[in-house]
Amino acid sequence: GAVVSQHPSRVICKSGTSVKIECRSLDFQATTMFWYRQFPKQSLMLMATSNEGSKATYEQGVEKDKFLINHASLTLSTLTVTSAHPEDSSFYICSAITRGRGDTQYFGPGTRLTVL
Amino acid sequence: AQSVTQLGSHVSVSEGALVLLRCNYSSSVPPYLFWYVQYPNQGLQLLLKYTSAATLVKGINGFEAEFKKSETSFHLTKPSAHMSDAAEYFCAVSIGTSGSRLTFGEGTQLTVNP
Repeated sequence: GAVVSQHPSRVICKSGTSVKIECRSLDFQATTMFWYRQFPKQSLMLMATSNEGSKATYEQGVEKDKFLINHASLTLSTLTVTSAHPEDSSFYICSAITRGRGDTQYFGPGTRLTVL
Repeated sequence: AQSVTQLGSHVSVSEGALVLLRCNYSSSVPPYLFWYVQYPNQGLQLLLKYTSAATLVKGINGFEAEFKKSETSFHLTKPSAHMSDAAEYFCAVSIGTSGSRLTFGEGTQLTVNP
């Protein structure tokens, strides 16, 4: 139980295009989802917290107009990187929690974004 | 604000030897503490968590960690390393509830030598 999936696992795009990454909780309802980014050989940095049906809360320094987050349902959150640039290339990881599972964050497998 | 410091970005042990990964935290309120493992190009897997119950926490794959308030530490140990333990390990802290936003340490890369 407590499986979180991400799609796609890997994406390569041209500079200036937008990319959407999906995060799904497969066997539980996620009241809250988190989005992290991780640069090579570095730790995870929280980008934003999203609650189903409400606007995401972004961390300081994260551009909300560039990283659009939509938590459309209790099992799906999407992160759209708009007008991507090479500096946006990173590993993006989502996590999800539900109050009925002890509040533990369960992580997805990550999405590797490469912007050419 | 809470923070986590992992001492040693790289730790190398021999197969069968003791694994000790160090984590110290800073928090103005009682924290929730976690250890996660990350294999290359994968997400994070929860090893164990401390949520103010028993100070010695046992996790998966033979790992355990002890919460020591006086030392503000939550070190991860395993009596005997296995080759499959080679990975990146992250210590993390949250406050408020255990499902609150996590603050991660910088990570420790564990290498297991045959």
